[in-house]
Amino acid sequence: EDQVTQSPEALRLQEGESSSLNCSYTVSGLRGLFWYRQDPGKGPEFLFTLYSAGEEKEKERLKATLTKKESFLHITAPKPEDSATYLCAVRGDDMRFGAGTRLTVKP
Amino acid sequence: ETGVTQTPRHLVMGMTNKKSLKCEQHLGHNAMYWYKQSAKKPLELMFVYSLEERVENNSVPSRFSPECPNSSHLFLHLHTLQPEDSALYLCASSQGQGSGNSPLHFGNGTRLTVT
Repeated sequence: EDQVTQSPEALRLQEGESSSLNCSYTVSGLRGLFWYRQDPGKGPEFLFTLYSAGEEKEKERLKATLTKKESFLHITAPKPEDSATYLCAVRGDDMRFGAGTRLTVKP
Repeated sequence: ETGVTQTPRHLVMGMTNKKSLKCEQHLGHNAMYWYKQSAKKPLELMFVYSLEERVENNSVPSRFSPECPNSSHLFLHLHTLQPEDSALYLCASSQGQGSGNSPLHFGNGTRLTVT
């Protein structure tokens, strides 16, 4: 059965303190790995799609990378406005989501 | 209006009430989805419609009844719910159900509380 596990469950950073979020997955035939950002009281907002191992995507302070077993979302010099829950999802036969990492960035 | 719009944003209902959630997408997509989001749990897929036909129903109790009258609109009819049904209900759309490279685009959800 396809599975997606995100870690850590919660992460607290100081402004400017870079770190990474992890998304480990098992899927029969990866057709895409997706990262979303979700702010309180809102729906998930699409960030990136990755298709194959070795691929990288960047957007402002965020960079997503992909291997055959996991994906990382690297946050460089985060700001308080980066505080949100980050969701990872994989598409094999269907779309499966992780439980998310709740990121808090303190000024 | 752009994106995916859900109404109402908040809903409180008793266990004997009947209510409906509405979703409208302005993205020209041909697949629409209902998801349930509970605290600290992954999103749970409830229903998928592709080209207005239901293609997936993940063992959802019959007290939830979806309706997709056209490719832009999706409803979730609710009746005799239980307190454990309290959650954030998210609607999403995509271009092509099951297509590998098509992300889901979500609305802001309806926060449902069952008393």
